[in-house]
Amino acid sequence: DGGITQSPKYLFRKEGQNVTLSCEQNLNHDAMYWYRQDPGQGLRLIYYSQIVNDFQKGDIAEGYSVSREKKESFPLTVTSAQKNPTAFYLCASSIRPSNMNTEAFFGQGTRLTVV
Amino acid sequence: AQRVTQPEKLLSVFKGAPVELKCNYSYSGSPELFWYVQYSRQRLQLLLRHISRESIKGFTADLNKGETSFHLKKPFAQEEDSAMYYCALSEWGTSYGKLTFGQGTILTVHP
Repeated sequence: DGGITQSPKYLFRKEGQNVTLSCEQNLNHDAMYWYRQDPGQGLRLIYYSQIVNDFQKGDIAEGYSVSREKKESFPLTVTSAQKNPTAFYLCASSIRPSNMNTEAFFGQGTRLTVV
Repeated sequence: AQRVTQPEKLLSVFKGAPVELKCNYSYSGSPELFWYVQYSRQRLQLLLRHISRESIKGFTADLNKGETSFHLKKPFAQEEDSAMYYCALSEWGTSYGKLTFGQGTILTVHP
């Protein structure tokens, strides 16, 4: 079954701890993205990667880190420096960054709660 | 910096009534506009994009560069249209998954 898989679906973290959210895709897509979804604010871009071993900051990268060692994987680490980490996190991918006919495919999301 | 505004957080209509979800944008370059939809318990997915000039599930959207708008319309709403709708913008010639989203509009279609 092709698509984007995010795990876990729900994640609880104690304050001061780092936590890593997994995102895997088997669509052979070049580009991958992380968005944060908060009520009333829509989705905001955290980080994106257009090619393996390269990534760029989005609009709200502070307190987050990523890696792109494999084409299929784009994990997101929420560090203790992120002041308000409780949110719904969405991973997405697209086939080729410069192709106008591409679209972003989304995972089902991970809900992170800091306790 | 680009910005997308959806002025209505909630929109309720009755089945068979016309529906229009508003979207305005600000961007100095040439934008690519999209509508994404999230049905209950489903993933966020593309509904339509302005470059395709297509009608999907009876929905259409026209890019009005003069008014910087990309409103989503459907002449006769159905109950299955109830969902969260996001308008999104991408910069021309860049990564088309790198999107700027509006705040979203929850559409409820009553029987």
